[in-house]
Amino acid sequence: DGGITQSPKYLFRKEGQNVTLSCEQNLNHDAMYWYRQDPGQGLRLIYYSQIVNDFQKGDIAEGYSVSREKKESFPLTVTSAQKNPTAFYLCASSPRAATNEKLFFGSGTQLSVL
Amino acid sequence: AQSVTQPDIHITVSEGASLELRCNYSYGATPYLFWYVQSPGQGLQLLLKYFSGDTLVQGIKGFEAEFKRSQSSFNLRKPSVHWSDAAEYFCAVGVTGFQKLVFGTGTRLLVSP
Repeated sequence: DGGITQSPKYLFRKEGQNVTLSCEQNLNHDAMYWYRQDPGQGLRLIYYSQIVNDFQKGDIAEGYSVSREKKESFPLTVTSAQKNPTAFYLCASSPRAATNEKLFFGSGTQLSVL
Repeated sequence: AQSVTQPDIHITVSEGASLELRCNYSYGATPYLFWYVQSPGQGLQLLLKYFSGDTLVQGIKGFEAEFKRSQSSFNLRKPSVHWSDAAEYFCAVGVTGFQKLVFGTGTRLLVSP
């Protein structure tokens, strides 16, 4: 089945630790996105990538980093500089990076701080 | 910059009753408009979208939405709610020339027996 796979489902971070969230898609989509979801705040865009080896900052990129070395993979690293990382993280993809495209979402990763 | 407002944080509807979730957007030109639904602990699923043409659009699961330019609104409706419709609903807006959608803060739907 085609889709987006996020792992792990739950992740815990210690103070000063970097953690990486995985996102893999087999839909052959060019564009991939990372969103952060906090209760009552909806979805906020962290980073997006229109094509392999290219990515742009979204609205809340500080404390996060990404890479896009392969079309199907777009991992997100939550660095120690992100002081409030507890949130639900959603990865999405679309055939291309345009706002008239349907987004396909993974099932999310819940990150918590120990 | 475009923005989306979903004024209702929570809505409770009796099973079998009709539903309307409100969405207002702020943008000068005609935007692309979407409604997504999210079950607890899951990703979002597209219910329907509006780009142009007929202002009443039909979606999956019996949902529909109507674009009203004069009111800058794109309200989601369903004539008869089922218990399985309990979820969080997000309105989103996109504009030509940009690569990202803007999401509203969501409305959580509770369905009472």
